[in-house]
Amino acid sequence: QQQVKQSPQSLIVQKGGIPIINCAYENTAFDYFPWYQQFPGKGPALLIAIRPDVSEKKEGRFTISFNKSAKQFSLHIMDSQPGDSATYFCAASMMSSARQLTFGSGTQLTVLP
Amino acid sequence: EAQVTQNPRYLITVTGKKLTVTCSQNMNHEYMSWYRQDPGLGLRQIYYSMNVEVTDKGDVPEGYKVSRKEKRNFPLILESPSPNQTSLYFCASSRQGDGELFFGEGSRLTVL
Repeated sequence: QQQVKQSPQSLIVQKGGIPIINCAYENTAFDYFPWYQQFPGKGPALLIAIRPDVSEKKEGRFTISFNKSAKQFSLHIMDSQPGDSATYFCAASMMSSARQLTFGSGTQLTVLP
Repeated sequence: EAQVTQNPRYLITVTGKKLTVTCSQNMNHEYMSWYRQDPGLGLRQIYYSMNVEVTDKGDVPEGYKVSRKEKRNFPLILESPSPNQTSLYFCASSRQGDGELFFGEGSRLTVL
């Protein structure tokens, strides 16, 4: 049972574009929604995270939008750069716990120069 | 430097030959976990440990064993590997109760 559904599977944008990656969850007990970024040959690393008491969070060029009623959240990358090319995973957990972290299937982003 | 170290990074083995993937972290984290990454399936948790001598099954524990005798180490054991365990494996650690996971660089395992 996939508790966090992520789309699209892959995404190609031109430099400067705004790629958007979407995730939907089913479990209303989830209360922590991180995004992880993974470069080839490396392990995932925390990029940005949000809790359901806010609808948006920005860190630099990365923004999470959160819609609690729709049980959806998305990652937007402003002014995307070739260095942003990576695989992005959304995730969700209960009680802000790493133990309960459930990952989406991943989105491979390519930013063309 | 804070890190999670896995070994080996690459391994090719044959069906039934026991192997161990080691994982060590130097951040004094209580929580450690193993994930496998497969195309289209994302990261799936195999086992996790809340502290020394405390381990529990994740979503896909079949065919794997773990132990946590020391806080810094959390080895993953495949007693009798099978081809369906061919995958990319990640060890991760976290402070207790903190949602941020720190991952190792991965161990790519091929079982023939």
